Amino acid sequence: DSGVTQTPKHLITATGQRVTLRCSPRSGDLSVYWYQQSLDQGLQFLIQYYNGEERAKGNILERFSAQQFPDLHSELNLSSLELGDSALYFCASSVATGTRHNEQFFGPGTRLTVL
Amino acid sequence: DQQVKQNSPSLSVQEGRISILNCDYTNSMFDYFLWYKKYPAEGPTFLISISSIKDKNEDGRFTVFLNKSAKHLSLHIVPSQPGDSAVYFCAASARNYGGSQGNLIFGKGTKLSVKP
Repeated sequence: DSGVTQTPKHLITATGQRVTLRCSPRSGDLSVYWYQQSLDQGLQFLIQYYNGEERAKGNILERFSAQQFPDLHSELNLSSLELGDSALYFCASSVATGTRHNEQFFGPGTRLTVL
Repeated sequence: DQQVKQNSPSLSVQEGRISILNCDYTNSMFDYFLWYKKYPAEGPTFLISISSIKDKNEDGRFTVFLNKSAKHLSLHIVPSQPGDSAVYFCAASARNYGGSQGNLIFGKGTKLSVKP
């Protein structure tokens, strides 16, 4: 158990809909990262938050947005969903940002299926 | 354009033998490399890392080798055990302009099967 929790575990929805994925980082971790893993793809970095502020952006679509709240949990919002958005979405956390080790602890993921 | 490549989607080895997982990268600015292991229905877990100032790092049965001139790293598992069966991801990062460590770039993973 990494200490990172993600809800829900599974999500099935229809095209055009909007969903929210939730992540609670490990106790004490200030950084939260979101990744997308599509079929046969590696983990694609989407976005990072550090202590409530956006720190880095990766391959995140404009239809997607995220935020980190004062209690450090984070939400990833996916809107106008398309079939191609079906994927595993992972959240990870780390103690800080830009640390030498950059070791990130991953949650179990949310499997999103768009029908 | 993939900056981190794991060209073998799968690898099968016999229990007790050595498993060698390979990873190539294209960005010469990468200076920190990590291996993550992932079991089905779980998130990736950190396994071992290496800084570009080293060419080898060892942790128990796991050793990572880095060949900077070839932009290649490998993970050796000796001896391999059935519980090592998982997907292994290679990841790399580079320092940002401000000097902090940048975000991780992952390969697509190699599925290792260790047969009893």
